[in-house]
Amino acid sequence: ILNVEQSPQSLHVQEGDSTNFTCSFPSSNFYALHWYRWETAKSPEALFVMTLNGDEKKKGRISATLNTKEGYSYLYIKGSQPEDSATYLCASSTDKLIFGTGTRLQVFP
Amino acid sequence: KAGVTQTPRYLIKTRGQQVTLSCSPISGHRSVSWYQQTPGQGLQFLFEYFSETQRNKGNFPGRFSGRQFSNSRSEMNVSTLELGDSALYLCASSLAPGVSNQPQHFGDGTRLSIL
Repeated sequence: ILNVEQSPQSLHVQEGDSTNFTCSFPSSNFYALHWYRWETAKSPEALFVMTLNGDEKKKGRISATLNTKEGYSYLYIKGSQPEDSATYLCASSTDKLIFGTGTRLQVFP
Repeated sequence: KAGVTQTPRYLIKTRGQQVTLSCSPISGHRSVSWYQQTPGQGLQFLFEYFSETQRNKGNFPGRFSGRQFSNSRSEMNVSTLELGDSALYLCASSLAPGVSNQPQHFGDGTRLSIL
């Protein structure tokens, strides 16, 4: 059974703070690691898909790293803004996507 | 380019009934996956269709079934509804199936409530 774990479950930060979350996954049979942002009343939106150990991707103030040997990925948000408030989901891809339960981020002005 | 369209957005049913949900993928996408989300749970994979064939199935009872048509539109059917089937059902499409480095594009979901 493939378990994808995310921590923390929730996070409250002030506007301007930088923050990071963790996604851990079994490293065997790994193919790809996905990150999604899910805002309330919207559909999940793809942020990154990473496949290579040591991979690092960036999109504006958001970046992610991947360690496939130890089975973890970090998502970083630099200078959090209220519009970053959302649930951030990671998913590990083997023959199907297995999602973690997400990290709920709230950024206060 | 139109996104993934799911209908209906909301549905109320009673125990024992059956329901059919519909998903139209992004034009050109041939893979459609279905997920269930209940409170406190992550997105649980239901099944994936590619070129009208079910490629993969999650750990759900046989009451949950689906199909895909030649135009890649997909339907999901749940028979003999139970209270625990109340959930948000999300559909996602992508270019490539299964083990993939392609991102999933999600619809807005169908919220199903069972009374």
